[in-house]
Amino acid sequence: EIVLTQSPGTLSLSPGERATLSCRASQRISSSYLAWYQQNPGQAPRLLIYATFSRATGIPDRFSGSGSGTDFNLTVSRLEPEDFGVYYCQQYGGSPPWTFGQGTKVEIK
Amino acid sequence: EVQLVQSGAEVKKPGESLKISCKGSGYSFTTYWIGWVRQMPGKGLEWMGVIYPDDSDTRYSPSFEGQVTFSADKSINTAYLQLSSLKASDTALYYCARPYLQGSFRDAFNIWGQGTMVTVSS
Repeated sequence: EIVLTQSPGTLSLSPGERATLSCRASQRISSSYLAWYQQNPGQAPRLLIYATFSRATGIPDRFSGSGSGTDFNLTVSRLEPEDFGVYYCQQYGGSPPWTFGQGTKVEIK
Repeated sequence: EVQLVQSGAEVKKPGESLKISCKGSGYSFTTYWIGWVRQMPGKGLEWMGVIYPDDSDTRYSPSFEGQVTFSADKSINTAYLQLSSLKASDTALYYCARPYLQGSFRDAFNIWGQGTMVTVSS
């Protein structure tokens, strides 16, 4: 089973600032099989990025994904008020089970 | 509109069983896998496994195999998650979700149900 470790645990930033979230895998993942989700309180997760780089339908271009091998990042170029929440990475490469990272909370500073 | 609608919150006693439903609409239900994801209170997301409604092919996470059962009734576009011999540790929010790609479970989930809260308490 591939373990995903996200860092930092919490990111304290102000609206308008840039956020960079990290996701490290315990073994190499094909870039085709890494996704990012956002979850706000009381809501279901929302897919932001799939296949490392591709934005899901309706996701603004301030969200971007990058990385390869075992190291992947999600960048939010300028934080909007609705961007504060918890972010999860997920891998779906190799053999099941697919796994999620433990999450990074982006909070208002 | 493509959507998944789950059954409502449940409160159960230890040892009881439970079946959560997830009804799909707005797309071809039989040609997309349905996944199940657990979120324990205040915790992260856990991939439980997937089912293909057309033939009920399943893939379980080893962490959940033997503890849960997936099923589907394609005549009513509904997938089910059965939890048996409930324990307090089964208290969680359970989501169903659908991948982006038709016919593949090797994919991110782009459609999510609203979640079903299960509380197990004596």
